[in-house]
Amino acid sequence: QKEVEQNSGPLSVPEGAIASLNCTYSDRGSQSFFWYRQYSGKSPELIMFIYSNGDKEDGRFTAQLNKASQYVSLLIRDSQPSDSATYLCAGMKGGSNYKLTFGKGTLLTVNP
Amino acid sequence: GAGVSQSPSNKVTEKGKDVELRCDPISGHTALYWYRQSLGQGLEFLIYFQGNSAPDKSGLPSDRFSAERTGGSVSTLTIQRTQQEDSAVYLCASSWGHNQPQHFGDGTRLSIL
Repeated sequence: QKEVEQNSGPLSVPEGAIASLNCTYSDRGSQSFFWYRQYSGKSPELIMFIYSNGDKEDGRFTAQLNKASQYVSLLIRDSQPSDSATYLCAGMKGGSNYKLTFGKGTLLTVNP
Repeated sequence: GAGVSQSPSNKVTEKGKDVELRCDPISGHTALYWYRQSLGQGLEFLIYFQGNSAPDKSGLPSDRFSAERTGGSVSTLTIQRTQQEDSAVYLCASSWGHNQPQHFGDGTRLSIL
């Protein structure tokens, strides 16, 4: 079992809709989670991070963490064509506190 | 610039040659990381620096790979006797310290002929 798993997609949503990206992890020692956006041919760009159970909102983005279910999600409200990219979920263990373990990413396409 | 800077952006070399990749982290960031992104493999951790020390080199694929960091700033990743399987995008990231969000540079796309 991969440490961090994501649905590879592609996920296609119409402009203005809510895009929901999901991630599960196997190591209960993982404490912190990060969402990166990666446009084709570009480097990952940090968009959200979450350390505690519950929701964290930043503009159109909401990250959700449920440690009991070992589940992390990213919601993008009012999706725009410019949101079309691969979204990478990464976890960091509490002990090591530095090594990010990435999922393979979910390709999101927002259709105008 | 304000972000992580990597050079060269692209490198094409022949199998068996040595290559050196450079990373200049965000000013003030004490932690520096190297990752590799291969087609179909996702992002994999290579090495972590805290200051000039590398407490974790566990991700380096073989002894052909080495890295150093000097002055708590610039880091170089060296690959000796390159092989075709070394072809990938090598990404550097930095952060204020461990357990802090990591910010990535634009990467070096390495192609081994």
